[in-house]
Amino acid sequence: AQSVAQPEDQVNVAEGNPLTVKCTYSVSGNPYLFWYVQYPNRGLQFLLKYITGDNLVKGSYGFEAEFNKSQTSFHLKKPSALVSDSALYFCAVRGWYSGGGADGLTFGKGTHLIIQP
Amino acid sequence: DTAVSQTPKYLVTQMGNDKSIKCEQNLGHDTMYWYKQDSKKFLKIMFSYNNKELIINETVPNRFSPKSPDKAHLNLHINSLELGDSAVYFCASSQGDRPTYEQYFGPGTRLTVT
Repeated sequence: AQSVAQPEDQVNVAEGNPLTVKCTYSVSGNPYLFWYVQYPNRGLQFLLKYITGDNLVKGSYGFEAEFNKSQTSFHLKKPSALVSDSALYFCAVRGWYSGGGADGLTFGKGTHLIIQP
Repeated sequence: DTAVSQTPKYLVTQMGNDKSIKCEQNLGHDTMYWYKQDSKKFLKIMFSYNNKELIINETVPNRFSPKSPDKAHLNLHINSLELGDSAVYFCASSQGDRPTYEQYFGPGTRLTVT
């Protein structure tokens, strides 16, 4: 069975500083990895994904993520944090369902990102 | 234009009642999903449909019954509601039934069972 771990419940970063939100995964076969962001009382918004190819993936709002196969990690990064980046961030993995077709997203527990002015 | 919409946004009801949540997507996607987010923000897949056919049916009580009248709609009907059903339910859609496709989520329906 596939799984995702987000080891930090909360990450605090000063505005303007670089940020990293950590994610590690476990999956049999090729990993298909995603990051989503959830603002209070809102749905999830897709940020970026890794399917294959370049290990550095660029996404929305200046976010990027680095895929590391040997460490089974997919950390989310941004060079300069904004107060408006404060939200709940989810890492997710997807694979193939045993009955055929794609599995649903398996999410980590989420990391609260707090950007301090 | 809202890509994935859900109605209602809030639903408060008593134990034992039956309720439905509706979902519509205007993205032209083939695959739709229901997820449940509990009070600790943990998200879990419940169902997925591809071209109106049920693909994924996780270990969800059979009081929950999804229905897909067409590719653009996936409704969730819940019978005999229980306190533990209180959660936020998210509908999502993706271009197709491959794990490479990202999913787009609706705004959620907050269900409170009293």
